[in-house]
Amino acid sequence: EVQLVESGGGLIQPGGSLRLSCAAPGFTVTSNSMSWVRQAPGKGLEWVSLITSDGSTYFADSVKGRFTISRDISKNTLYLQLSSLRVEDTAMYYCARERVDAAAMEWYFDLWGRGTLVTVSS
Amino acid sequence: SSELTQDPAVSVALGQTVRITCQGDSLRFHYASWYQQKPGQAPVLVIYGKNNRPSGIPDRFSGSSSGNTASLTITGAQAEDEADYYCNCRDSSGNRVFGGGTKLTVL
Repeated sequence: EVQLVESGGGLIQPGGSLRLSCAAPGFTVTSNSMSWVRQAPGKGLEWVSLITSDGSTYFADSVKGRFTISRDISKNTLYLQLSSLRVEDTAMYYCARERVDAAAMEWYFDLWGRGTLVTVSS
Repeated sequence: SSELTQDPAVSVALGQTVRITCQGDSLRFHYASWYQQKPGQAPVLVIYGKNNRPSGIPDRFSGSSSGNTASLTITGAQAEDEADYYCNCRDSSGNRVFGGGTKLTVL
């Protein structure tokens, strides 16, 4: 079954680091563009980071310089390294697969994981 | 980076038609995709591209675009459509941007 399974969340103190993982049974992570999207408690969705199939990376201004996105071909897993964490980084973190609509040349998220919760608190 | 603006809340009577809008400069150049999110669940894609529905999404969901505004229309809203709806598109830098979300209440 094609799915995304996130892990690695937890309680972390401000200034700490954490690595989130997103396993992708059923398809090849490196053949797709993949994003991380987060949602603070009671708030809306916020796009965080993207890695394209050719390895280019993009980051939201709110996390640039603090978060790193990567993938492991052998483990077929996407990662998000979170550093210098702040209280405002507290959120459910989702990974999502991107597809392109060839007719419109537009990207969209067609597959989402169930998320992993990161809580930044002292 | 570009911003996408949505009305925070919209309501519709059962069986009636409702339009949820999303405004932003990026929408002049890109189509939005739309996501439905119910409490405690991950988002689900409902519309992408010019007006495409993934397999399994009812045909009462449709999308359209004009100028800087994208719209999601639900024709004949059902109780199960009550959810939060988010628009998304890319900006000129290649970043992805979400709207703030619209909470749909079906009366």
